[in-house]
Amino acid sequence: DGGITQSPKYLFRKEGQNVTLSCEQNLNHDAMYWYRQDPGQGLRLIYYSQIVNDFQKGDIAEGYSVSREKKESFPLTVTSAQKNPTAFYLCASSWDRVGEQFFGPGTRLTVL
Amino acid sequence: GQQVMQIPQYQHVQEGEDFTTYCNSSTTLSNIQWYKQRPGGHPVFLIQLVKSGEVKKQKRLTFQFGEAKKNSSLHITATQTTDVGTYFCAGPKIQNSGGSNYKLTFGKGTLLTVNP
Repeated sequence: DGGITQSPKYLFRKEGQNVTLSCEQNLNHDAMYWYRQDPGQGLRLIYYSQIVNDFQKGDIAEGYSVSREKKESFPLTVTSAQKNPTAFYLCASSWDRVGEQFFGPGTRLTVL
Repeated sequence: GQQVMQIPQYQHVQEGEDFTTYCNSSTTLSNIQWYKQRPGGHPVFLIQLVKSGEVKKQKRLTFQFGEAKKNSSLHITATQTTDVGTYFCAGPKIQNSGGSNYKLTFGKGTLLTVNP
């Protein structure tokens, strides 16, 4: 059963701690993305990767970091430098950078 | 950066009424995509339009791509409570000025609520 998985669904962290969100896809897609969504807001692009070992900053990359060591995995680290990290984080993948995107179920991060 | 503008931001209708959301770009788009996100869920791809003036239908949903390929609309006929959610349009936009690096850019979405 192909798709994108994100874990965990809910995540709680104390302020000042780094936290890594997982994103895995078995669709054999080259491109992967991380979005942040705040209540009543649209999708804001954090980072994207078009190929293994390469990634680009999106519109709101400050306070976040990513890696793309494997085609199927694109983990996102929310660092303590991110001033307002509480949000819903969505991972997506696609065949190419402008094609249909498949989204994971999301991780809801709450920083206390 | 370049944006895809979407209106209205919110729309509340009575069940059975029609609903339309509009998407506008200042530059020509090679294609336009529409997604639906149910409350508490994740965006799900609905459709892609590529040709100028293209119209596609999915049951009660009608999607249009403008002749100039700068605007698009999604129309729902006789809304049902199952139509509740946020509808996003998305189109390829240049990431860096003067470059050819395109990425899919999402509008802010239209939240549709339906009163049964």
